[in-house]
Amino acid sequence: LAKTTQPISMDSYEGQEVNITCSHNNIATNDYITWYQQFPSQGPRFIIQGYKTKVTNEVASLFIPADRKSSTLSLPRVSLSDTAVYYCLVGDRGRIYNQGGKLIFGQGTELSVKP
Amino acid sequence: GAVVSQHPSRVICKSGTSVKIECRSLDFQATTMFWYRQFPKQSLMLMATSNEGSKATYEQGVEKDKFLINHASLTLSTLTVTSAHPEDSSFYICSARDLGATGERRTKNIQYFGAGTRLSVL
Repeated sequence: LAKTTQPISMDSYEGQEVNITCSHNNIATNDYITWYQQFPSQGPRFIIQGYKTKVTNEVASLFIPADRKSSTLSLPRVSLSDTAVYYCLVGDRGRIYNQGGKLIFGQGTELSVKP
Repeated sequence: GAVVSQHPSRVICKSGTSVKIECRSLDFQATTMFWYRQFPKQSLMLMATSNEGSKATYEQGVEKDKFLINHASLTLSTLTVTSAHPEDSSFYICSARDLGATGERRTKNIQYFGAGTRLSVL
């Protein structure tokens, strides 16, 4: 599984757009990029996943350059409730019918949104 | 999305006792569940992969006799911390994939996590 590097922490203010970049220089051809969000004393929650270019859902956007050695999670107009730790994970999606697909979490980025 | 229920949410016990944590997939069947441990201000560390009807697969450095995993049905996995000691105090989290999902939920290998169990050993 490819190793990822993220900033340890970021600060932002309500209403701003927040971009969290993750480096994954050793990403393999079959690897996807997945982001999870974790609030204190809760289990992580899936945010978004992508392979290349841009992916957007109702929560966030994920930008992936052509070389796929990095990715950027973009949170539009953050609010106080977006204060959490954000994890970037890189790996294959696992074969469906066996025990593959386990997730290996890196250190994550602690995002603090201030009023 | 799919729901994974974890119980209890918090447990305080004396040193030397055993503690059982349950993880249930409420609206889907999970042949595979995962158990993680998280210390304060640290990331999640995968402990083991729980397989329905067979032995769990433990990550390197995790004592299988210390952390007993049972996955007796397609919706329930249990983690038992045997003879708990203060150094076992941590936040334990389980997760599961919905292999019966269709569309994006299936292809993206989305894992659904329980709310976690805070274990404090006195």
